[in-house]
Amino acid sequence: ETGVTQTPRHLVMGMTNKKSLKCEQHLGHNAMYWYKQSAKKPLELMFVYNFKEQTENNSVPSRFSPECPNSSHLFLHLHTLQPEDSALYLCASSLPGTLTEAFFGQGTRLTVV
Amino acid sequence: KQEVTQIPAALSVPEGENLVLNCSFTDSAIYNLQWFRQDPGKGLTSLLLIQSSQREQTSGRLNASLDKSSGRSTLYIAASQPGDSATYLCAVKVSGNQFYFGTGTSLTVIP
Repeated sequence: ETGVTQTPRHLVMGMTNKKSLKCEQHLGHNAMYWYKQSAKKPLELMFVYNFKEQTENNSVPSRFSPECPNSSHLFLHLHTLQPEDSALYLCASSLPGTLTEAFFGQGTRLTVV
Repeated sequence: KQEVTQIPAALSVPEGENLVLNCSFTDSAIYNLQWFRQDPGKGLTSLLLIQSSQREQTSGRLNASLDKSSGRSTLYIAASQPGDSATYLCAVKVSGNQFYFGTGTSLTVIP
């Protein structure tokens, strides 16, 4: 266990559904991240939050909507997704600053049908 | 933009062999480099973290080196075991709290 918990672990949704992914950490970290991992591609950074403020949006389509209500929780709200959005979505956290390492959750395997 | 490359993409070795995985990055302005292990369908487990001022880090049978000026890192695994079979990813941390990842090396250790 890395201390970063993601739920659900698996999700199948239709293109017209609305669902949310949840990430939780109690490591005292102030930076949280969403990554997308598709087959045969490097992990793609989607969003970065520092101290609850979004500091990076890596040109992510608006059908993905992040929310960070506090430093321990991060959500990714999904609506009107496409089949190509099927992937493993990984959450990570770290302390802000230059010297710290990232800790990852187990991921949510998302399938859009 | 930072680009991270890992070679080879896949590697298969007999149990007991020592092996080296390679990671290269295009921009040497990094804060640190981290090696991760990923089992199929799972999240990432941190193996080693090397700060930009360091040359190497060791943990058990793993040794990671960093040559920041040439944009290279290696992960050395001694006396490989079947349980080492996984995908190994390297990531560099740059400004803005961003991590850039390579595509990984898929390792299979044959009993």
